Parts: sequence; structure tokens; C-alpha cells
Amino acid sequence: GQSLEQPSEVTAVEGAIVQINCTYQTSGFYGLSWYQQHDGGAPTFLSYNGLDGLEETGRFSSFLSRSDSYGYLLLQELQMKDSASYFCARPGDDKIIFGKGTRLHILP
Amino acid sequence: DSGVTQTPKHLITATGQRVTLRCSPRSGDLSVYWYQQSLDQGLQFLIQYYNGEERAKGNILERFSAQQFPDLHSELNLSSLELGDSALYFCASSGDSYLMNHNEQFFGPGTRLTVL
Repeated sequence: GQSLEQPSEVTAVEGAIVQINCTYQTSGFYGLSWYQQHDGGAPTFLSYNGLDGLEETGRFSSFLSRSDSYGYLLLQELQMKDSASYFCARPGDDKIIFGKGTRLHILP
Repeated sequence: DSGVTQTPKHLITATGQRVTLRCSPRSGDLSVYWYQQSLDQGLQFLIQYYNGEERAKGNILERFSAQQFPDLHSELNLSSLELGDSALYFCASSGDSYLMNHNEQFFGPGTRLTVL
């Protein structure tokens, strides 16, 4: 299979760091993307990991470990505007598969 | 603003009817993707077109069809609508033809379809 698993919800405090995990089945795996979606909005691309390791883009970083079939999105210095759903996604056999999304709640 | 436009924003129709959703990709993008997002199913890839030709097919029902025109805009046709087809339908575009790489996809604002 090529499914992705991620937690349905995560809660963190403003200014803190939060990690959103994503595990995947290895069949036909090429890499892992992350998208952010605010309520009522469209998904927006955050990052892609094709190789093991950490990719950093400002306050957001994404990590991939192929040996563990696992990746995560790390959000630092959380701001209230980061409250959104975060999706991991992977290209599969002639299609792209999204995880069901993790809703991030941020407490003041 | 991603540069991808979709019309209409909202659509309300009855079961058994047929509707057409329209998408214009970002200027210069040759690939168009269609997705369905419902509460219980998450974001589901439906179909991809590249420069007028179908390139990849996901979980698209036989009642649904799509095409991409010479000017690169795309239409998604949904027929014999059922209550379960109520969802948000997104179009996305990218510059690259191959789904297998890390091409960033730019999503339109979506069309919310309600089937009564």
C-alpha cells in the first residue's frame, strides 16, 4: 500500500515548538511533501523531502528518514496564524496521495 | 493568491443533475490536477492533465470526467450527482509534467458543491 498516517489533532502553545509526524508505507516511495491549509482556504505547499535529512524554510522545517518510513514537519516560534491543518503527501503510482491531515490548535 | 482561478465558488444543485467546474491554471503551467475534499475522506486526487492530455488518474468515479482545452483551462464534469458528491473541489497547477517529482502544486480557491 501507499497510505500515509498522521495524527488527527495536535495542540501547542504560542511561541513553542511542535512536531507533526507522518508515517508511510514504503511501496513506490519517492518523497514526502507538506501542505498547509487554513479553514476555508486552499492548500499551500510548504516543503518537500526527497532525501533523508532536514529541510529548513524559515520557522518551518521538514525531516525525512527512509529507513524508518517516517517524516515530520517542525514548526518553531508558533504564532496564532499557524493554526491550520497540515497534510503530508506523496507521489504514488500515477497519482498523489495525501494524508488525512493534522489539525494544529494553538493556545495563547 | 496562487494565480489559479476556479469558478464558480459555490454551487448548489439537486441529486441526479450534472454540473461543470472550471479551472484556469497559473500562466505558463501545463499541468492541471483535480482534487475532491470532503470531511471524512480528506484530500483525494482525482485526475491530472498535461498540455491537453490525461496523465494520471486517481479515485475518479465513472460519473465524473475532465478535460483540458488548448488554452490550458480545464473543466471537471460531474453527472448523476449524489448526496455524497457534496464536497470542496480543488484544482491545482504546476509547471512540470511528471507527478513523480516534488513539483510544487498551486491550488485554486476551490468550488464548494452542495447536492441536495
